[in-house]
Amino acid sequence: SAVISQKPSRDICQRGTSLTIQCQVDSQVTMMFWYRQQPGQSLTLIATANQGSEATYESGFVIDKFPISRPNLTFSTLTVSNMSPEDSSIYLCSVVTGIDGHTIYFGEGSWLTVV
Amino acid sequence: AQSVTQLGSHVSVSEGALVLLRCNYSSSVPPYLFWYVQYPNQGLQLLLKYTSAATLVKGINGFEAEFKKSETSFHLTKPSAHMSDAAEYFCAVSEQGDYKLSFGAGTTVTVRA
Repeated sequence: SAVISQKPSRDICQRGTSLTIQCQVDSQVTMMFWYRQQPGQSLTLIATANQGSEATYESGFVIDKFPISRPNLTFSTLTVSNMSPEDSSIYLCSVVTGIDGHTIYFGEGSWLTVV
Repeated sequence: AQSVTQLGSHVSVSEGALVLLRCNYSSSVPPYLFWYVQYPNQGLQLLLKYTSAATLVKGINGFEAEFKKSETSFHLTKPSAHMSDAAEYFCAVSEQGDYKLSFGAGTTVTVRA
């Protein structure tokens, strides 16, 4: 299995500020994704982090609000910009790996509270 | 497009009893199916997955699930519940080769002593 580290694990942020979340994987992976889990809700895919090119965003998510970088095959960042209390969520990084290449693992998540 | 329906937002079982969590999916193409568990204040842990091999899949912690194409179902079971099974369980689906997961709403499992 992959070891996926996310930083920060938790943070309390001021309204109007931006925060960058890091996702580091212990091995090279071809596919990385970012998800959001709002309080008491299920998970929703934000975007696919593409190595060396712009991320692919799902409906309802835009680059200006959630810029994503993926400079190499082991690392990605998600920035939550101009935060409002509605952005209070868990943000999770996921990767596709495994011996069969079909296993999807998640990081422990970054728990953001916007005040 | 894929979607997932988890029947029952809350399930309460007695310790030692059968755990059955229901998941039905819709997909226009052959799916990959996953079950994840989320313990309080933690991230998601993979329990098991179906990726077009054996239809009966065994996972960690004594859980298993059976893919039934005719019923578009992927129900999760455990023969004997343990107190440590109390958690939130999510069923998820992706298209083969796509890996973008669509999640169900989740089922909260409580275990009674």
